[in-house]
Amino acid sequence: GIQVEQSPPDLILQEGANSTLRCNFSDSVNNLQWFHQNPWGQLINLFYIPSGTKQNGRLSATTVATERYSLLYISSSQTTDSGVYFCAVNPLAGAGSYQLTFGKGTKLSVIP
Amino acid sequence: ETGVTQSPTHLIKTRGQQVTLRCSSQSGHNTVSWYQQALGQGPQFIFQYYREEENGRGNFPPRFSGLQFPNYSSELNVNALELDDSALYLCASSLAPGGEAFFGQGTRLTVV
Repeated sequence: GIQVEQSPPDLILQEGANSTLRCNFSDSVNNLQWFHQNPWGQLINLFYIPSGTKQNGRLSATTVATERYSLLYISSSQTTDSGVYFCAVNPLAGAGSYQLTFGKGTKLSVIP
Repeated sequence: ETGVTQSPTHLIKTRGQQVTLRCSSQSGHNTVSWYQQALGQGPQFIFQYYREEENGRGNFPPRFSGLQFPNYSSELNVNALELDDSALYLCASSLAPGGEAFFGQGTRLTVV
């Protein structure tokens, strides 16, 4: 099945710093989502971005489908940005195209 | 618009028992997927229901079973609980299989 790799696995930032999280995937996709998992476990939707660039406040994301990667940018980080960020994909075709395959996540800690 | 809701939020069961977890999908969504998330890992796909039929299954044994009702709410049943079944169980709904997924807050199951 499709493989999803996220980097870095851990990231510590000073409040106000910028960061870039990366997601590589091994096959063509028809859906790519970025999530933020809060300390209580809920997955919060950040972006639905199978291709192109989107922005939402201090966050933006870019997916280059032809090169099989996506980037999540966080600018002017705040302590509330702390948590685990997951990238998840649906393969374009074949078995498993209906299911989201997740990466292992990037654990972000923003310190005051 | 009501989001995805899960019940209960926390549950403690004894090894060998059976458990039922419940999920109400977001309004207008006919597809529900279930995921298991062990501590420190990304969510793993269990199965998906689309219009009351199972639409795909991950690598989980038959003692994990499910159901979707005419109102598109869903249940996850686990028989003969094992210690390794301790995890966060997440439910997601979408407009269609492979579409943007929206997650509930999860049910944290502890098997002792």
